Amino acid sequence: DGGITQSPKYLFRKEGQNVTLSCEQNLNHDAMYWYRQDPGQGLRLIYYSQIVNDFQKGDIAEGYSVSREKKESFPLTVTSAQKNPTAFYLCASRAGGQPNTEAFFGQGTRLTVV
Amino acid sequence: DAKTTQPPSMDCAEGRAANLPCNHSTISGNEYVYWYRQIHSQGPQYIIHGLKNNETNEMASLIITEDRKSSTLILPHATLRDTAVYYCIVRVNYGGSQGNLIFGKGTKLSVKP
Repeated sequence: DGGITQSPKYLFRKEGQNVTLSCEQNLNHDAMYWYRQDPGQGLRLIYYSQIVNDFQKGDIAEGYSVSREKKESFPLTVTSAQKNPTAFYLCASRAGGQPNTEAFFGQGTRLTVV
Repeated sequence: DAKTTQPPSMDCAEGRAANLPCNHSTISGNEYVYWYRQIHSQGPQYIIHGLKNNETNEMASLIITEDRKSSTLILPHATLRDTAVYYCIVRVNYGGSQGNLIFGKGTKLSVKP
C-alpha cells in the first residue's frame, strides 16, 4: 500500500543525546514536511523540503536538522541543542507542482526525554 | 499569511449534522481552504478543500461564503468516530514555502451518544 511511514512510534532519549526520527514515503511525492505538536496545541512547522537535496527552515528549526538525499526519505535529527524536545513529531508529504494537492501525514513519533 | 479562527470546542449529538465554522477574513484570491482532522495521538487526516465553490465528498461538505471570508465544514451524520480536533487551514502560497500548511489550534468536536 502507498503511504507515509514514521518510525519508531515511541522514542526515549537521554538528555544531551542526539536522536534521529525516520520518515519514508512511497507516494512519489516531491515535498516533505516535519511538524512538532505539543499537548493541546496545533502543529508547528520545523523543516520542509520541496525537492531532493534541498530543504528550508520552518518556524521552529532551532535545535533540529534534516537531510533529503532521496526523494522517499526525510529524516529529522533532534540535537542536544533543542532545549525542550519532548513532543509528538509528525511527518507529511505532498505532490509538488500544484498548490491544491493535499498533504498526507504519518502516524507520528512520540519523543520523550528522560 | 491568512490566519483562521475557529471555536475551541463543539458538541454534536450522534446522527445529527455537525457544522464547524471557520473565519479566514484575510484570505487572498488564490488561497485554498483546507480541512483536516486529528484523532487523538494520530496523524492528521485530510478531509476536503475548496477555493470558491462548495465542495462535497464521501466524508463531508464544505460551504464557502461568496466573499470567501468564512467557511463551514459539514459532517452530515456525525458518529462517535468523528470525535476529533478539526483544523481549518488556508494554504500559504508564496516564495519557497509554497504549499506549507499553517495549523492553528482547531476545534475539538465531541460527538455524544
